[in-house]
Amino acid sequence: GDSVTQMEGPVTLSEEAFLTINCTYTATGYPSLFWYVQYPGEGLQLLLKATKADDKGSNKGFEATYRKETTSFHLEKGSVQVSDSAVYFCALSVWGGGFKTIFGAGTRLFVKA
Amino acid sequence: GAVVSQHPSWVICKSGTSVKIECRSLDFQATTMFWYRQFPKQSLMLMATSNEGSKATYEQGVEKDKFLINHASLTLSTLTVTSAHPEDSSFYICSGGVLAGGNTGELFFGEGSRLTVL
Repeated sequence: GDSVTQMEGPVTLSEEAFLTINCTYTATGYPSLFWYVQYPGEGLQLLLKATKADDKGSNKGFEATYRKETTSFHLEKGSVQVSDSAVYFCALSVWGGGFKTIFGAGTRLFVKA
Repeated sequence: GAVVSQHPSWVICKSGTSVKIECRSLDFQATTMFWYRQFPKQSLMLMATSNEGSKATYEQGVEKDKFLINHASLTLSTLTVTSAHPEDSSFYICSGGVLAGGNTGELFFGEGSRLTVL
């Protein structure tokens, strides 16, 4: 079945460090891929998305490229800030006998000043 | 992006009472709304999917008589936790989308509602 696997956290980084959060997926159809971010006590917000192979989603310095050959959608940022501390969810949406969204388990990021 | 408003953002109630949570799409018509439950430090667990004007589809293990979902219009869905008990305490999140063929499947989330049952 369809699934999303992302690296376990928590991830703790110092400010200005490079961030990578790995995400891989399995899907029977042609999924769209997303990264959502959840700040403490809040709902989820879309961070970026990619709808087809080789698309690169980017927002607020974060980037992720839809890699069909490796079924991956890794999230990267060149220089993290304290305000990036949050939980990041990788997700896929796919049509197939109905619409469904599958979320990864989430990766908690702590950025220290 | 589109805005989904959810309230109340937090509620405390006594065991045995019922609590209603509203989810409104403010600037778009959500053909489909989803309700999730999130336990501390865990991912979202899909509870049910509701399409406007029809009965909600519940995920396996979710009691439909306990978690009543209504999606009476394209801009409003409600979740009512009936006869709440302490084990129902959780963070509930709604999301909406315009789900038609060719759509990317992006979801717009409410702010979440934290329910504490005493």
